Amino acid sequence: DAGVIQSPRHEVTEMGQEVTLRCKPISGHDYLFWYRQTMMRGLELLIYFNNNVPIDDSGMPEDRFSAKMPNASFSTLKIQPSEPRDSAVYFCASRRTVNTEAFFGQGTRLTVV
Amino acid sequence: GQQVMQIPQYQHVQEGEDFTTYCNSSTTLSNIQWYKQRPGGHPVFLIQLVKSGEVKKQKRLTFQFGEAKKNSSLHITATQTTDVGTYFCAGRNNNDMRFGAGTRLTVKP
Repeated sequence: DAGVIQSPRHEVTEMGQEVTLRCKPISGHDYLFWYRQTMMRGLELLIYFNNNVPIDDSGMPEDRFSAKMPNASFSTLKIQPSEPRDSAVYFCASRRTVNTEAFFGQGTRLTVV
Repeated sequence: GQQVMQIPQYQHVQEGEDFTTYCNSSTTLSNIQWYKQRPGGHPVFLIQLVKSGEVKKQKRLTFQFGEAKKNSSLHITATQTTDVGTYFCAGRNNNDMRFGAGTRLTVKP
């Protein structure tokens, strides 16, 4: 397996634009997590899915953020409209069960100017 | 909700010195995992602790889980330049996984 695949690796966009981040988890993993990493706030859990169902989205900062998982092999994190304070590295991670290790993607470095 | 606190935030050591990072949770954890993130990279799993008082070793790394399952530590003996990076603990309470802020380790040759 190629591991968790995220795209794009880098995204530079203007304030107010819509941004969509994509993630392909490892096949057979039932859990998918979205994290945001910044120097100030560290690694924050935004939302996680179990069997494609969102379980806890309490970490999603605002209504501008939304996440979907239409099937077991694909998830998106959308920011609309984007703001400069959204600039961060966004990681997607998947795990087979609740007790196993998490595998992280390479991350998407988002810069909103 | 569950909070995982990690200290220190930064640690700079001379190569060959020991290093320890500590993790504390506000709630009892089902398990705790440790990850390492190299500069510019992504977190990579190191180990998982499940049992109260558990101690595990990986070469120069020693991991401990507290008796109350609310705290954990990672100790590195005789650090090397390859140990540079940020070390995160991640605690599981229900089905989520929340990370500590991480300890950034730098090693001077």
